[in-house]
Amino acid sequence: DVKVTQSSRYLVKRTGEKVFLECVQDMDHENMFWYRQDPGLGLRLIYFSYDVKMKEKGDIPEGYSVSREKKERFSLILESASTNQTSMYLCASSLVGRYNEQFFGPGTRLTVL
Amino acid sequence: GDSVTQMEGPVTLSEEAFLTINCTYTATGYPSLFWYVQYPGEGLQLLLKATKADDKGSNKGFEATYRKETTSFHLEKGSVQVSDSAVYFCALSNTGNQFYFGTGTSLTVIP
Repeated sequence: DVKVTQSSRYLVKRTGEKVFLECVQDMDHENMFWYRQDPGLGLRLIYFSYDVKMKEKGDIPEGYSVSREKKERFSLILESASTNQTSMYLCASSLVGRYNEQFFGPGTRLTVL
Repeated sequence: GDSVTQMEGPVTLSEEAFLTINCTYTATGYPSLFWYVQYPGEGLQLLLKATKADDKGSNKGFEATYRKETTSFHLEKGSVQVSDSAVYFCALSNTGNQFYFGTGTSLTVIP
């Protein structure tokens, strides 16, 4: 059974802290994605990666960075967390090509106080 | 650029009612189209997909037909159940690696 796992389901951090969200997939997918989901705004793409050490900015990269040192792992980093980064964060992965669906992890609900 | 527009929610239906959630898209070329479902507290799961014009995707009683002439991919189910209560997302994938998602439609089915 294919799987995308995320390091935490719930996380509470303080303003200014450095936050790491980790995502691991076991499907040997080339592509990995980070989204944030907010009520009324749907899913917004933060960053994606199509290969190890490669990354592309999505629609809302400001305040975030990413790391992909191994094919199966894609990390999202909040360098200095702010309250407006309180959100649900979803990781996804896919094979290359427009016919292939994205597989999602369960999400991490991050609260920044 | 590519985009997806789906019907605003929330939608509330009685059990066994007919469901339609509208989705239209803007894209160049020949995108693939998807419906995802998100149950409370969970990530998104693929519900169905269609990869070319006139294809019909179906799963768990849900159906959607890829209509290129109307650039639409409406989701339908003949008889909804309480367990179908969730948020539904329409999405497209085109050349390149990105997906484009609609804003989601929340469905509540009452007994």
